[in-house]
Amino acid sequence: DAGVTQSPTHLIKTRGQQVTLRCSPKSGHDTVSWYQQALGQGPQFIFQYYEEEERQRGNFPDRFSGHQYPNYSSELNVNALLLGDSALYLCASSLEPYGYTFGSGTRLTVV
Amino acid sequence: AQSVTQLDSHVSVSEGTPVLLRCNYSSSYSPSLFWYVQHPNKGLQLLLKYTSAATLVKGINGFEAEFKKSETSFHLTKPSAHMSDAAEYFCVVSSNQGGKLIFGQGTELSVKP
Repeated sequence: DAGVTQSPTHLIKTRGQQVTLRCSPKSGHDTVSWYQQALGQGPQFIFQYYEEEERQRGNFPDRFSGHQYPNYSSELNVNALLLGDSALYLCASSLEPYGYTFGSGTRLTVV
Repeated sequence: AQSVTQLDSHVSVSEGTPVLLRCNYSSSYSPSLFWYVQHPNKGLQLLLKYTSAATLVKGINGFEAEFKKSETSFHLTKPSAHMSDAAEYFCVVSSNQGGKLIFGQGTELSVKP
């Protein structure tokens, strides 16, 4: 049974560019959450998607947006990249009342 | 508001000795509490979770944690450390099932041979 799959695993972008990260949830999971983990920090909640709608949102600017498709897969989009957006981006899927399964993450470097 | 504080940023133990990673939480609600482990360049793996059942929670790989409401603590322990336990450990709180997870800053565990 495949777990959470994220792509790409690594990428490098230039300041001001836009980026799209992708997540395929664990089979049977209908909820997808995104987290940003800066170097040496704990993950920070960005937002959560359920039934193709943003259900909760953390303290992140509107440059961060997302989408969930009918097959429950999800995308995280970041516009106007800043150097401070460099981080590991983690996707987690879940099916209530069960717990979360995390992917291995996408390492984004902004130069 | 909810938060977690991991009291040690780095813990170093010798192989075969006990492990104690400390976590205090703050929550207005009856919390769900978790410990996750992250090995280098890997995602997060759930070690154990507390959801208002037994206060002593057993997890994978010999880890366990005790929920103490009076002390607002949820410390992680293991009787005997193994080299493979070296990793970053995160204490996490969630307000409800399916709610956002709030992570502590992490504790790096080093295990010396």
